This record gives sequence, C-alpha cells and structure tokens, in this order.
Amino acid sequence: AQSVTQLGSHVSVSEGALVLLRCNYSSSVPPYLFWYVQYPNQGLQLLLKYTTGATLVKGINGFEAEFKKSETSFHLTKPSAHMSDAAEYFCAVRETSGSRLTFGEGTQLTVNP
Amino acid sequence: GAGVSQSPSNKVTEKGKDVELRCDPISGHTALYWYRQSLGQGLEFLIYFQGNSAPDKSGLPSDRFSAERTGGSVSTLTIQRTQQEDSAVYLCASSLGVPTDTQYFGPGTRLTVL
Repeated sequence: AQSVTQLGSHVSVSEGALVLLRCNYSSSVPPYLFWYVQYPNQGLQLLLKYTTGATLVKGINGFEAEFKKSETSFHLTKPSAHMSDAAEYFCAVRETSGSRLTFGEGTQLTVNP
Repeated sequence: GAGVSQSPSNKVTEKGKDVELRCDPISGHTALYWYRQSLGQGLEFLIYFQGNSAPDKSGLPSDRFSAERTGGSVSTLTIQRTQQEDSAVYLCASSLGVPTDTQYFGPGTRLTVL
C-alpha cells in the first residue's frame, strides 16, 4: 500500500522567507503526485501536480515542487512567503492505474510578519 | 463555472440517528469520490464512483456507511445509527475520470454527533 509522509506537522516562516514543505512517498512504482492547500473552513484546492514529463512542476501562487525519484520525494517550495500563504498543505499520491488519493497528514504553515 | 457543492454545510445530530450528506459534482465529471477528514485519522478515502457504479468502496469504515449515485451526477452518503466517532468533515470530489485528472473538492459537510 502506498503511504505519504509529510515531515513537520507545523512549519513557521517569516514573511518574505523561503517556504519548504517536505513530502516523501513509498511506492514501488512512481505514482502521480499532488499538493493541495486548505484554507480554514474550506475544501482542498490543487496547487500543482506531477504526472509525467518535466520533474520540476510550477503551480499557482508561486509554488513549485520537484519530483525526485531517487529520493522518493516531492517537496513543495516558494521563494518568498506571503501572509496569505498561511494554510494547511497536503501532499497526496495516486497510483497510475488507481483512483483514490492517499494523503499525508498535512503541514500547517504559519507566516509571521 | 460551478464547482463541487455539498449540503448541508453543517449537520449536528444525536447518537443513533441516521444522516444523509449530498454531493453535486462538476457537470460532466464521471468520477466522484468521498473522503473523510478527522483529527485523529487525517484525510481518508471512503468510496469512488465511476458513473453510477462504485468499483472501490473499500474505504467505508463499517456497514453503517453506504453511498449511492444516480444519473451519473448527484451522490448521497448515508450514515446509519451515527456514533460519536463519525464526527468529521466529509469531503466530496469529482474528476473527469482518468488517473492523471485533478480531483476537485467541495467545501465539505461538517458532521457533529452528540
């Protein structure tokens, strides 16, 4: 069974600082990879996804992630944090022949002024 | 365009009562998913529909949980004889139905069982 590990349930950065949210997955075959963001009392919104092709994926709101097969990682980064980035972030995987998403435990990002 | 909608947004019920949660997917999306988000368990898959069929219902936690989809559109998740551990946010998502497609999520229904 696939699993997703997000290192750090809480991450705190200063406004303007680099954001790095870590995600590692376990799968015998590289799956499809997703990052979602959830603002308070809202559903999940897709930030970006990797399916095939270029391993550096750019998403909305200035976020990007790089798929590294050798490290089974898909870390999310943003060069400069904004206050509006404060939210919970979920990494998810999906088997290439599957349907369900398997989520990590989530990382709560706090941005300090 | 319209996104995934869910109703009610909040539901408070008493232990032992039955509840129905509704999901309206994005028009044209053949795949529909139910997930549950709770403090202790994180985000868990419940069931997947392709059209009106449910090829994967392996995430339903007990036989008190059931779901149906009609007309390839609206889906209802029913929880019978609710228990306090059923308290969670129930999220619905829809997609075009192939593995690379994005799943678009609704705002969720917050269920509280007293």
